[in-house]
Amino acid sequence: EVQLVESGGGVVQPGRSLRLSCAGSGFTFDNYDIYWVRLAPGKGPEWVSQISWDGYKTFYADSVKGRFTISRDNNKKTVHLQMNRLRSEDSALYFCAKDNHVPYLLHWGQGTQVIVSS
Amino acid sequence: EIVLTQSPGTLSLSPGERATLSCRASQSVTSSYLAWYQHRSGQPPRLLVYGASIRATGIPDRFSGSGSETDFTLTISRLEPEDFVVYYCQQYASSPYTFGQGTKLEIK
Repeated sequence: EVQLVESGGGVVQPGRSLRLSCAGSGFTFDNYDIYWVRLAPGKGPEWVSQISWDGYKTFYADSVKGRFTISRDNNKKTVHLQMNRLRSEDSALYFCAKDNHVPYLLHWGQGTQVIVSS
Repeated sequence: EIVLTQSPGTLSLSPGERATLSCRASQSVTSSYLAWYQHRSGQPPRLLVYGASIRATGIPDRFSGSGSETDFTLTISRLEPEDFVVYYCQQYASSPYTFGQGTKLEIK
């Protein structure tokens, strides 16, 4: 069974940092791109970042470019999202997800909550 | 960036009725790379349809997707009580892979 488990969320002050992690199991981890998608109350989902199966290609939404960094460790079957200079508008439930070799999102984790507040 | 506009924002229907949800793209979605997700609060989104019209594994056949280019539709033929949640469309033809703002199905 495919499983994605996020961790690392929490409450943080504006301007501070958080590091989210996504651990995968039940599939060949290094065969798939991994995505971060966030969902804020009253808004549609926002694709935040994506990393290719081999880690060589990364993509970011304009809203996080220059502040967030995605990375992966295929040996540990883990993807990280380093979030720096956090803003209140970054507050959301963050999901990691995997595609099916085409970028619709077939499997999702349960999400980790990020709250940016003073 | 492709902007997806979903309508209506809220749809009030009764169980057993037919629901028609619309997703309009600001530019053509090539190869019909359009997906629909169902989202129940407190859970991750669930993939319903991809490729505009292909039901994902395990999705009941009362859910069907159609459309091409800029106009897409999700139809739920006979609403069940558990269908009254939020639905999102997503295009994955062009990065960034944008989502619509959602349609909430509520019980009339």
